[in-house]
Amino acid sequence: EPEVTQTPSHQVTQMGQEVILRCVPISNHLYFYWYRQILGQKVEFLVSFYNNEISEKSEIFDDQFSVERPDGSNFTLKIRSTKLEDSAMYFCASSVDRGSNEQYFGPGTRLTVT
Amino acid sequence: SQQGEEDPQALSIQEGENATMNCSYKTSINNLQWYRQNSGRGLVHLILIRSNEREKHSGRLRVTLDTSKKSSSLLITASRAADTASYFCATCFKGSARQLTFGSGTQLTVLP
Repeated sequence: EPEVTQTPSHQVTQMGQEVILRCVPISNHLYFYWYRQILGQKVEFLVSFYNNEISEKSEIFDDQFSVERPDGSNFTLKIRSTKLEDSAMYFCASSVDRGSNEQYFGPGTRLTVT
Repeated sequence: SQQGEEDPQALSIQEGENATMNCSYKTSINNLQWYRQNSGRGLVHLILIRSNEREKHSGRLRVTLDTSKKSSSLLITASRAADTASYFCATCFKGSARQLTFGSGTQLTVLP
């Protein structure tokens, strides 16, 4: 069964550094998402992406964040200058654009900012 | 807050028993989805119910939706130890394209 994959599984970085989290969505899906879950808190929506542009973003998704689909298979989340509070599990998800909003999540990347 | 909130926060049952988890939300929705998360792992999609549907089944799962009460329930029948996980409802609110808003989850423990 096709699934969303994410790399790396765990990323440790120093405050102020840039990080890029990578995702490979399910191949026939057209909508892509990033969510995050700070330890012990709810899963929070960051951004959705369709047709090579952002379709929705939350207040969390400020100028420090950006997303890109650099090729036909990868979807990336970049955090330009990480802060301690960016430490969280970051989940990528994808869904098919045929009126369905069933979102399929990857296993997540645990980002630790020190 | 528009967020879905589950109750109970934690539920412990014996294998073979049924588990019922509830979710409430505050504004009109397009659809509501249930997800499972094993400790430290990703979210597994279980079932989606649209705002014009009242009940859906998938294997041992039964989901109901009452839009007049703004609530949903997830029933797992004949539970197994492998069902031990956190269960979340996630709502897609009207006016939102596809953004999902998650609740805090119910931690289900199924004792063998």
